Amino acid sequence: EVHLVQSGAEVKKPGESLRIFCKASGYTFTAYWISWVRQMPGKGLEWMGRIDPSGSSVTISPSFQSHVTMSADKSISAAYLQWSGLKASDTAIYYCVRHAEFPTYHFDYWGQGSLVTVSS
Amino acid sequence: QSVLTQPPSASGTPGQTVSLSCSTTDTNIGSNPVNWYRQLPGTAPKLLIFSNNQRPSGVSDRFSGSKSGTSASLAISGLQSEDEADYYCSAWDDSLNGWVFGGGTKLTVL
Repeated sequence: EVHLVQSGAEVKKPGESLRIFCKASGYTFTAYWISWVRQMPGKGLEWMGRIDPSGSSVTISPSFQSHVTMSADKSISAAYLQWSGLKASDTAIYYCVRHAEFPTYHFDYWGQGSLVTVSS
Repeated sequence: QSVLTQPPSASGTPGQTVSLSCSTTDTNIGSNPVNWYRQLPGTAPKLLIFSNNQRPSGVSDRFSGSKSGTSASLAISGLQSEDEADYYCSAWDDSLNGWVFGGGTKLTVL
């Protein structure tokens, strides 16, 4: 059974760095893309970008480019989302999602979400 | 503002059939299949419909999807109280080279 288990809630101050993770199990990690989706408090879903764990190629939405980095560690089937200088506006729940295979690539499995709170 | 437009709210009574809409004026996005996700209160979203009208294994046949041109719909028949949730449509955007979501529809079961 496919599972995406994410890291726990984080409370950070503006300017701090953070890396959250998404640990995959129940399937071949390198065979499926992983995306990250943001949900700000009381708001809708926003696609941030995706990573291909097989070769770590990354595509990040222009809305998030230059503010986050995405990476993956094949050896432990984990994907990461990282910030080097958090802002209060980064306060949100972040979901990792697995893409289905070609040709649909829809999001077939979701992690439980990681709540990130940025406050001084 | 989302490039996929969904009404912010909808409602129905138990047993009724409701239809949730998702539309775009962007023919680029409108030419791609639509997927639907449901988010129960306090939980992560879950896949409901993919490729316009395909149900994943385990999803009730009370849920059905359709698409015509640049508009898509999600129909929920035999409405139940546990269907109260936020429903999001999503599609691939060739210009963005990424995925876009609608703003979501909050469904209330009266």
